[in-house]
Amino acid sequence: DAGVTQSPTHLIKTRGQHVTLRCSPISGHKSVSWYQQVLGQGPQFIFQYYEKEERGRGNFPDRFSARQFPNYSSELNVNALLLGDSALYLCASSLDSAHQPQHFGDGTRLSIL
Amino acid sequence: AQSVTQLDSHVSVSEGTPVLLRCNYSSSYSPSLFWYVQHPNKGLQLLLKYTSAATLVKGINGFEAEFKKSETSFHLTKPSAHMSDAAEYFCVVSEVGGADGLTFGKGTHLIIQP
Repeated sequence: DAGVTQSPTHLIKTRGQHVTLRCSPISGHKSVSWYQQVLGQGPQFIFQYYEKEERGRGNFPDRFSARQFPNYSSELNVNALLLGDSALYLCASSLDSAHQPQHFGDGTRLSIL
Repeated sequence: AQSVTQLDSHVSVSEGTPVLLRCNYSSSYSPSLFWYVQHPNKGLQLLLKYTSAATLVKGINGFEAEFKKSETSFHLTKPSAHMSDAAEYFCVVSEVGGADGLTFGKGTHLIIQP
């Protein structure tokens, strides 16, 4: 069975641009979460979506937004990119609520120039 | 609010010797606790989880962890280190029913000496 898949794997943007990252959960999983991992740190929670509704949000500015589609895939959008947005963005899926073990994709490496 | 403290940023052991990675947690409610491993340029792999069943939890690749409520600890151990264990390890807490996602520690970098 395919695991969590994310695209693209790498991305380079410049300050002020916007970016869209994509995630497909494990088949049968209805919850998708997004995390930001800055180099040398643990991942930080950004969003959780379950059944296409936002169920949780971390301490990130409104430049960050996300949505979940009827097939449970998800997009993370970041507007007005800053240098500090350079990070590995990880998507995780789980069967239902956030406290279940989450299965992570390999991430999208975003570099801001 | 929930938080995790990993007590060592780096741990170095010789191949074949025991591994101990230390983690303390703070949680307002009954927590779920996890250990994840991350190899370079890869995503996170779940090693084991504690969800209020047995306090000694066995995971993959010979790892295990013991939940000690009185000490608010969830240390990760392995009897004999292998070169392939070299990676970054994260202790993670999640509150049951919470909407705050997973809270990660800062990670412990495990180095295996030949």
